Amino acid sequence: DIQLTQSPPFLSASVGDRVTITCRASQGISRSLGWYQQEPGKAPKLLIYTASTLQSGVPSRFSGSGSGTEFTLTISSLQPEDFATYYCQHLDSYPLTFGGGTKVEIK
Amino acid sequence: EVQLLQSGGGLVQPGGSLRLSCAASGFTFSSLAMTWVRQAPGKGLEWVSTISRRGDSIYYADSVKGRFIVSRDNYKNTLNLQMNSLRVDDTAVYYCGKPIGGPGVEWLDPWGLGTLVIVSS
Repeated sequence: DIQLTQSPPFLSASVGDRVTITCRASQGISRSLGWYQQEPGKAPKLLIYTASTLQSGVPSRFSGSGSGTEFTLTISSLQPEDFATYYCQHLDSYPLTFGGGTKVEIK
Repeated sequence: EVQLLQSGGGLVQPGGSLRLSCAASGFTFSSLAMTWVRQAPGKGLEWVSTISRRGDSIYYADSVKGRFIVSRDNYKNTLNLQMNSLRVDDTAVYYCGKPIGGPGVEWLDPWGLGTLVIVSS
């Protein structure tokens, strides 16, 4: 099974900061990785798929990069509505797995 | 507008059974695989199962294999999750999710609102 390790698990940042979250896969998954945002009490929302494709309606301050085993999600200028938990997920093979999550908190 | 209306959650004793449903509308249900994901209280997301568009291929997480059964009714546009031999650690919010496309692009968007399952004596 492919394991996804996110870092850091917690991140404290200010509005306007540039934020980067990393997701490492236990084996190569090409570009078969996506990123979700989850606000407290809500269902997750897709931000990025296939490593770097921005989902329709998602602000351009979100971007993704990477391939193989290392991937990043970048928020270029953190906004108040971006304080949430972020998860990566792969679709390379079953079982599908999610990373452990990164909670972005207000500094 | 795509809608995923979930139902069937609740409180059940360990060893009991529960059936969740996800009624889909606003898209051609029979043309897409569907997925269940769960989230235990205060924990991260856990993929549970994916069923192919025709229901002829079903994949399960090891944690639920042999206890949970996923099915779909493409005439009623409904996805089901039959949960048997429930354990305390099955307590979670269960989400159904629609993929954005076919094989290889099965990222979930949108998700249902989720339904809470509590397994407790």
